[in-house]
Amino acid sequence: EPEVTQTPSHQVTQMGQEVILRCVPISNHLYFYWYRQILGQKVEFLVSFYNNEISEKSEIFDDQFSVERPDGSNFTLKIRSTKLEDSAMYFCASSEGSDSGANVLTFGAGSRLTVL
Amino acid sequence: AQSVTQLGSHVSVSEGALVLLRCNYSSSVPPYLFWYVQYPNQGLQLLLKYTSAATLVKGINGFEAEFKKSETSFHLTKPSAHMSDAAEYFCAVTRSGGYNKLIFGAGTRLAVHP
Repeated sequence: EPEVTQTPSHQVTQMGQEVILRCVPISNHLYFYWYRQILGQKVEFLVSFYNNEISEKSEIFDDQFSVERPDGSNFTLKIRSTKLEDSAMYFCASSEGSDSGANVLTFGAGSRLTVL
Repeated sequence: AQSVTQLGSHVSVSEGALVLLRCNYSSSVPPYLFWYVQYPNQGLQLLLKYTSAATLVKGINGFEAEFKKSETSFHLTKPSAHMSDAAEYFCAVTRSGGYNKLIFGAGTRLAVHP
């Protein structure tokens, strides 16, 4: 069964450092997403991406965050200057997208970011 | 706007007992509803989805959920809990058409004891 692959599974970084989280979505999917889950809290939407541009972003997704699809297969989330409160599990997801019907997201296993 | 409320952040049942995890939604348009499960240190796995066809939806691992529009509910049930069902369960809502993000509830942690 097709999978969404995320790397690294766990990253530890110092506050103020830049972090890039990588994702390989399912190959025929058109929509890509990043979600965040702070330990013990709900899964929160960060950003969606379609046709090489951001479709929607949440208020969490401030100027410290950026997303990119650099080569047609990878989908990356960059945090420019990490803060302690960025410590969380970051989930990538992708979906086929359709003009009708449910948009079913397939999630990766997550990248746990720890900011010290 | 859409939102989801999951009643009970923690539910504990005995092995073999009925599992009932509650989810209520709010949506100004016809919703599509999902249950995802998260096992410890793993990602989110789709359990089942409601997409405006049958109101009683069957999913993996013996789980099912019933969409009740009059009650704005989409509760998850399983007749007989198994130890392997211990996990966090998330209800989520979206709507039809093109791209639409999933909005998650706060989650319910299910514990199953012998």
